[in-house]
Amino acid sequence: AQRVTQPEKLLSVFKGAPVELKCNYSYSGSPELFWYVQYSRQRLQLLLRHISRESIKGFTADLNKGETSFHLKKPFAQEEDSAMYYCALRAQGAQKLVFGQGTRLTINP
Amino acid sequence: DGGITQSPKYLFRKEGQNVTLSCEQNLNHDAMYWYRQDPGQGLRLIYYSQIVNDFQKGDIAEGYSVSREKKESFPLTVTSAQKNPTAFYLCASKEVGGTEAFFGQGTRLTVV
Repeated sequence: AQRVTQPEKLLSVFKGAPVELKCNYSYSGSPELFWYVQYSRQRLQLLLRHISRESIKGFTADLNKGETSFHLKKPFAQEEDSAMYYCALRAQGAQKLVFGQGTRLTINP
Repeated sequence: DGGITQSPKYLFRKEGQNVTLSCEQNLNHDAMYWYRQDPGQGLRLIYYSQIVNDFQKGDIAEGYSVSREKKESFPLTVTSAQKNPTAFYLCASKEVGGTEAFFGQGTRLTVV
């Protein structure tokens, strides 16, 4: 069975500081991994996916198969980054997404 | 305006009553999903459907039922058998071959 673990329920950093949201997964195959974000009063939306190797809003995430991790990073946090972040996994050939518990990120001015 | 719509936004029901949450999408997606969002527990999959007239149980299907009579619609019924129904419910849809899931605004159900 697949599992996604986000060890931090809450994370608070100051504006301009680096931020890292941790995500670990358990899955024996090759997963597809995603980060979803939910800003206040907005719907949950895709932030980035590992296959695209893209940077969105300054965020990047690298899949580390050895450590089974997909941590989300941003070098300089901004106040508008405050939101709920969910890491998600899809197994090969599967249609369902498995989500982690979520991390509420607060950026302090 | 394309997207996925959940209604109502807030729903109150008395204990012991069944209640149905609506989810409609005009994105022409084949796959649809129902998640339950609880504080500290993330999103947990209730049911999902990959095609009309077919659906599969997710991780927490007990006390819930769904139907998929039309591609655009995937209603969720919370039955009286669900022990702790008060929660925030999210519906999502996705192209079967696609990677991104699109979410509705959610329905907050309160059972009193």
